[in-house]
Amino acid sequence: NAGVTQTPKFRILKIGQSMTLQCTQDMNHNYMYWYRQDPGMGLKLIYYSVGAGITDKGEVPNGYNVSRSTTEDFPLRLELAAPSQTSVYFCASRGTSGTYEQYFGPGTRLTVT
Amino acid sequence: EDQVTQSPEALRLQEGESSSLNCSYTVSGLRGLFWYRQDPGKGPEFLFTLYSAGEEKEKERLKATLTKKESFLHITAPKPEDSATYLCAVQLYSGTYKYIFGTGTRLKVLA
Repeated sequence: NAGVTQTPKFRILKIGQSMTLQCTQDMNHNYMYWYRQDPGMGLKLIYYSVGAGITDKGEVPNGYNVSRSTTEDFPLRLELAAPSQTSVYFCASRGTSGTYEQYFGPGTRLTVT
Repeated sequence: EDQVTQSPEALRLQEGESSSLNCSYTVSGLRGLFWYRQDPGKGPEFLFTLYSAGEEKEKERLKATLTKKESFLHITAPKPEDSATYLCAVQLYSGTYKYIFGTGTRLKVLA
């Protein structure tokens, strides 16, 4: 049981480049989330999904896009990378019953120069 | 505005020196309050969920408590391996998807 996995672990992008951050969970969770974490700041919600085919914006969605074609996968797309997108990105998931805690992946550290 | 504030930002303790971390919240409706531990370079790891004032949860040297306006994470006789950042988050009634995170308390326990 791998939980939530993210790839890549590290990435350096040049300004204007694009990339996709991958996130996969094997817990059959309906809810999935993308957060970014900047130094001294709390986790900020970028996008979330309540199930396959359903996504919605969080607090800081500008410059990002998501899709959810399967229960397991929730990729985050960065178009036209900007230095302000330098951050650590975390994917999380949770189920629809129980205590509603989120399970987080190990993160992707992205630098845009 | 819904808000979660954690204090102190950083805390240094000697091994065995007990203390408490604070998470205060101002939200429109609380569904649950969560504590996570985050080690450097890793994702947050779930510790506790609290739902109602007066509730307490314990795990090894950690005990979390909840009042109507704040939560405490009490650390009893900490060890160096308890060094980490502790994050607090609240889940709002207004949307089952939405969690608001505090900025965390960086705990360092010295041997």
